[in-house]
Amino acid sequence: GAGVSQSPSNKVTEKGKDVELRCDPISGHTALYWYRQRLGQGLEFLIYFQGNSAPDKSGLPSDRFSAERTGESVSTLTIQRTQQEDSAVYLCASSLDRIYEQYFGPGTRLTVT
Amino acid sequence: QKEVEQDPGPLSVPEGAIVSLNCTYSNSAFQYFMWYRQYSRKGPELLMYTYSSGNKEDGRFTAQVDKSSKYISLFIRDSQPSDSATYLCAMSNNNAGNMLTFGGGTRLMVKP
Repeated sequence: GAGVSQSPSNKVTEKGKDVELRCDPISGHTALYWYRQRLGQGLEFLIYFQGNSAPDKSGLPSDRFSAERTGESVSTLTIQRTQQEDSAVYLCASSLDRIYEQYFGPGTRLTVT
Repeated sequence: QKEVEQDPGPLSVPEGAIVSLNCTYSNSAFQYFMWYRQYSRKGPELLMYTYSSGNKEDGRFTAQVDKSSKYISLFIRDSQPSDSATYLCAMSNNNAGNMLTFGGGTRLMVKP
């Protein structure tokens, strides 16, 4: 079946602009996760959804970052007033009911100029 | 100090060698231990997971967890050039509804 998809695959934006990143999880997966990966580094947890609610937003780095999920499916990560330090790959993952079986999308590579 | 430490490498080995990748951690509450493989410009893919201490084998891959030492390992036997990737360890203290804590990844290069 189809895996996790993310769009766009690449995004170049000017400092100060808002961006929206989209994640389509595997159909039927109730849990959805967003991570950030800076160049040459590991994954940094941002936010987790169970269904449409987000019980854990502890990883969002600032109030410029927000995320929502609708219909227990698609999720959007929004970054307002982008800064250069926001440049990274943003990865989305979904899982059915076991945290250790997370399936990742290919990521969105964000570059803020 | 990071919760999970992993040598970034790069680790370069000849084809056919046995590879040992390791992570140390500080949070004794971690119970689930995962290894992910990430090819360049791709998302991570789950290789193996183990619960608590012990060994787990899957083909050429063996995962070991030593909770008393807070140390986990991934061994790759008969390494192949296609194994060249970044290997990320990840850990969790909860069965569901919580985040994974990742190491920084070790870059492995297997030379033919």
